[in-house]
Amino acid sequence: GDSVTQMEGPVTLSEEAFLTINCTYTATGYPSLFWYVQYPGEGLQLLLKATKADDKGSNKGFEATYRKETTSFHLEKGSVQVSDSAVYFCALRNQEYGNKLVFGAGTILRVKS
Amino acid sequence: EPEVTQTPSHQVTQMGQEVILRCVPISNHLYFYWYRQILGQKVEFLVSFYNNEISEKSEIFDDQFSVERPDGSNFTLKIRSTKLEDSAMYFCASRGEATNEKLFFGSGTQLSVL
Repeated sequence: GDSVTQMEGPVTLSEEAFLTINCTYTATGYPSLFWYVQYPGEGLQLLLKATKADDKGSNKGFEATYRKETTSFHLEKGSVQVSDSAVYFCALRNQEYGNKLVFGAGTILRVKS
Repeated sequence: EPEVTQTPSHQVTQMGQEVILRCVPISNHLYFYWYRQILGQKVEFLVSFYNNEISEKSEIFDDQFSVERPDGSNFTLKIRSTKLEDSAMYFCASRGEATNEKLFFGSGTQLSVL
């Protein structure tokens, strides 16, 4: 079945450092890809998405590009802030198999000032 | 932004007891979901619900589990005869009519089975 693999955390960075969180997927067909973020004590929030190959999703300085050739959707941010500390989840949705989200394990990001 | 509300935030129960986890989805949403995350593991799909019936369920969602939308606003997950391995964070989510509408998640209920 479909699956998502994320880099393990926690990832600890200093403020203004460059962030990359790797995400690769296995799926048939053409899934949509998502990054969700969970801040402490809150629910999962959609951060960005891409629905087809070569699409770039972006939001709040974060970006991810849908790379079908490498089955990847890596999350990047040029300069992280302490407020970016959260858990980041990569996910896919494959309409061939209903509309449920398939999540990765999540990556904890800690940003130090 | 509208919110999905889940209660309680924490639930402790004894093995073998029944629990009901409650969710209030966003008011004009039509699709409802339950996911769970066992500590240190992936967020897993449990069930989706539309038009007053289950539209999809995972192999995790066995006869021990049931969902209900009793009054048009609440969406509940009942776990009968809880087991230790049911301990997890349970997330409710909802979305509107369009296929590509985003899911809105609640902040979760942490269930601990002792």
